[in-house]
Amino acid sequence: DIQMTQSPSSLSASVGDRVTITCQASQDISNFLNWYQQKPGKAPKLLIYDASNLETGVPSRFSGSASGTDFTFTISSLQPEDIATYYCQQYHNVPYTFGQGTKLQIK
Amino acid sequence: QVQLVQSGAEVKKPGASVRLSCKASGYSFSDYAVNWVRQAPGQRPEWMGWINAGHGHTQYSQRFQGRVTITRDTSASTAYMELSSLRSEDTAIYYCARAPIVVIPSAMDHWGQGTLVTVSS
Repeated sequence: DIQMTQSPSSLSASVGDRVTITCQASQDISNFLNWYQQKPGKAPKLLIYDASNLETGVPSRFSGSASGTDFTFTISSLQPEDIATYYCQQYHNVPYTFGQGTKLQIK
Repeated sequence: QVQLVQSGAEVKKPGASVRLSCKASGYSFSDYAVNWVRQAPGQRPEWMGWINAGHGHTQYSQRFQGRVTITRDTSASTAYMELSSLRSEDTAIYYCARAPIVVIPSAMDHWGQGTLVTVSS
């Protein structure tokens, strides 16, 4: 199975801060990488697909990029409603696998 | 609007089976795949498998091979997931999620509300 190593596991930042989360794949997955946001008691929500494409309706402060097997998710200016857990997910190989998650909190 | 509505919570004894449903609306059911993903308390999501709702092709995680079966009824725009030989470790919220098919199912862009399955003696 492809392992997705996500860091950090938790993050505390202030409103307006730039926030970055990284995900490293254990092997080449091309750009078959998605990012999801999950709020407590809710299903995950797709934010970024294919490493860098913003899902329709998602605010432009969210973005993603890729470099080899390293993937970066960025919130350019943190808002209070962004408090959630964020997951990366690869779909290059079955089984599709998720990173361990990053819990984002407001400082 | 796209909606995936899942069946209600289940409580099962170890060794039993559970069958969950996921009714789709607001889009052409046969043009997409439906994934099943579960999430145990405090854990990351875990992908179980998907079905191409058009021609019925399935692919499963090896971790569940032999225990999971995903089917669909195109006339009812509904996908089903059956998990057998339940054990306590199968206690989780089970989600269905739609994915566009671009050669293979891609990003899961709409999710059901989740179904809690509790396995307890």
